[in-house]
Amino acid sequence: EAGVAQSPRYKIIEKRQSVAFWCNPISGHATLYWYQQILGQGPKLLIQFQNNGVVDDSQLPKDRFSAERLKGVDSTLKIQPAKLEDSAVYLCASSLGSGAKNIQYFGAGTRLSVL
Amino acid sequence: GDSVTQMEGPVTLSEEAFLTINCTYTATGYPSLFWYVQYPGEGLQLLLKATKADDKGSNKGFEATYRKETTSFHLEKGSVQVSDSAVYFCALIHRGNQFYFGTGTSLTVIP
Repeated sequence: EAGVAQSPRYKIIEKRQSVAFWCNPISGHATLYWYQQILGQGPKLLIQFQNNGVVDDSQLPKDRFSAERLKGVDSTLKIQPAKLEDSAVYLCASSLGSGAKNIQYFGAGTRLSVL
Repeated sequence: GDSVTQMEGPVTLSEEAFLTINCTYTATGYPSLFWYVQYPGEGLQLLLKATKADDKGSNKGFEATYRKETTSFHLEKGSVQVSDSAVYFCALIHRGNQFYFGTGTSLTVIP
């Protein structure tokens, strides 16, 4: 089966610019996650969707980050305006459902560099 | 709060050497524990998991045992190969749906 697709793979922008990332989860997966992975750290959950509803966005910096999953399939994550500290790999993952019994499948990620 | 601590890398081993990557966790109750692996240029893949105390997860020659008494989930492999070179992440999930990942341990296996 096809895996989690993310684009672009790499993005370089200047601070204060805007950027958007796209994720297409595995077909049939109801739960979608966005993680931020800063160099040398483990992934940190930014937001979790169950179908098109937000389950957890407690660690999403809502003053500059936004995410949507309008039709319960694809998702976009946007940063506006970007800061230097947003430089990281943004990972999308999906699972059939939520909780420990549901394996999360990860995309290859989008590497963002903010100059 | 819940957290995972894993040994810092990088780790460099010769082929066929024994591997141990330490992982300890902090959580109340009984979290589920995982090891994920990230090969260069790829996303994270689930390597193995254990959902209750004394469970042993295993896959591709890797093993980890859920030790409640020491709050540990150390990853081991008896004989590593060059193809095992990757970054390994320990993680837990507890109560809610949020995964907590360790900082990752980079492993390089040299021929």
